[in-house]
Amino acid sequence: AQTVTQSQPEMSVQEAETVTLSCTYDTSENNYYLFWYKQPPSRQMILVIRQEAYKQQNATENRFSVNFQKAAKSFSLKISDSQLGDTAMYFCAFMKHYGGSQGNLIFGKGTKLSVKP
Amino acid sequence: EPEVTQTPSHQVTQMGQEVILRCVPISNHLYFYWYRQILGQKVEFLVSFYNNEISEKSEIFDDQFSVERPDGSNFTLKIRSTKLEDSAMYFCASSGLRGGQETQYFGPGTRLLVL
Repeated sequence: AQTVTQSQPEMSVQEAETVTLSCTYDTSENNYYLFWYKQPPSRQMILVIRQEAYKQQNATENRFSVNFQKAAKSFSLKISDSQLGDTAMYFCAFMKHYGGSQGNLIFGKGTKLSVKP
Repeated sequence: EPEVTQTPSHQVTQMGQEVILRCVPISNHLYFYWYRQILGQKVEFLVSFYNNEISEKSEIFDDQFSVERPDGSNFTLKIRSTKLEDSAMYFCASSGLRGGQETQYFGPGTRLLVL
């Protein structure tokens, strides 16, 4: 069974600075996807970024980027130029690739990020 | 941009009552999911649905739960006889091949409180 571990329950960062959130996972699968979702106080789940395991290049979305280390089964999220609106719970998630069909997401416990002015 | 919608946003019910949570997935999506999040805990998978049948379900999804796609737009989760421990945020999600990428998009959630 797959597991996702987020070892930092809470983190804080000053506005405009950079922060990195950690995520490790355990799987015997070779083809899968990894995601970071953001959950602000409204509790809606918002996709931040995704990574396909077969791609060596790290995904980037504006101020958000990942460091994907497949051999180490590590998938960290870097937020550059942190903004107050980045304050949220961040969940790392894993999904098996079923070759055309879709799998369910397995989430970590989350990291609560606070951006301080 | 198309969004997943869910109704109601909040639901309060008495233990033992039936509840139906409704979702309208993104219109061209083919895969539908329900997840739940007990307050302060991680998001947990309940069930996935494709081609009018359940494709996968978790241990949480017991006989008290059922899903249905009654028409071309709605996707519902029914809890037949609610328990106190069913109190949680319930998220609907949908996915399809958008630009060749498989990503699940979540609705805003329904907050269920069982008294």
